[in-house]
Amino acid sequence: EDQVTQSPEALRLQEGESSSLNCSYTVSGLRGLFWYRQDPGKGPEFLFTLYSAGEEKEKERLKATLTKKESFLHITAPKPEDSATYLCAVQTRGNTGKLIFGQGTTLQVKP
Amino acid sequence: GAVVSQHPSWVICKSGTSVKIECRSLDFQATTMFWYRQFPKQSLMLMATSNEGSKATYEQGVEKDKFLINHASLTLSTLTVTSAHPEDSSFYICSASLGANVLTFGAGSRLTVL
Repeated sequence: EDQVTQSPEALRLQEGESSSLNCSYTVSGLRGLFWYRQDPGKGPEFLFTLYSAGEEKEKERLKATLTKKESFLHITAPKPEDSATYLCAVQTRGNTGKLIFGQGTTLQVKP
Repeated sequence: GAVVSQHPSWVICKSGTSVKIECRSLDFQATTMFWYRQFPKQSLMLMATSNEGSKATYEQGVEKDKFLINHASLTLSTLTVTSAHPEDSSFYICSASLGANVLTFGAGSRLTVL
C-alpha cells in the first residue's frame, strides 16, 4: 500500500534556528513528490516538485531534497512568517494527478 | 497563472439540506479536478477525481450518492453534499490539473452542518 509519513508532527523553532522536516514514502512507483505549505483555514500552496533521487530545489529559505525513500525540507534561518503546516505528497506512476498526502508538520517559528 | 477559485469559502446549513461547492480554474482549462476533504488537524484525503465530460471516480469509502460531482466544462467542477449531516462538516478543497501534474489548490470551502 502506498504510504507517506511525515515527521515530526510539530516543530517549534526560534527565529534563525535552522532545521529539517522529513517525509518518508513507500510507493509502488514514484512519479513525483510534492511539498506544499498550508496556512490555517486556507488551501495548500505549492512549493516544490521533485522527480528523481538526488534532485534538489530551493526557494528563499527553503530547500527540498529527494532520495529513493524520503525527502527533506530544509529551513534555513526561519522567520516567524514561515510558521505554517508543511505537507508532503506523492504522485504514483499511472495516476494522472492523484496525490497521496502525509499528515503534515506544523512549524511554529518564534521571534 | 494557474489560479483555482472555490466558492463559497464557508457555508452553514441545516441538517438534511444540500450544499453545492464550486471549483473554477480561472486562467487555464482543467480536464481533471480533484476533490479533497480535510478534518481539523488532519491531512487531505482524496474523495474523488472529476473528469470533464465523464463520471467522477470516487475513492474507496466515499459515498457517490452523498457527494455528487459534476464537471460540465473545462473550467468548472461542482461538489454537492446531499442531505448533509453534522458529520459532513469539514473543509473541502479542490485542485485542478493542467495535465499530468497537479499544481494548484483552491482556498477551500468550510462546511458546517447544524
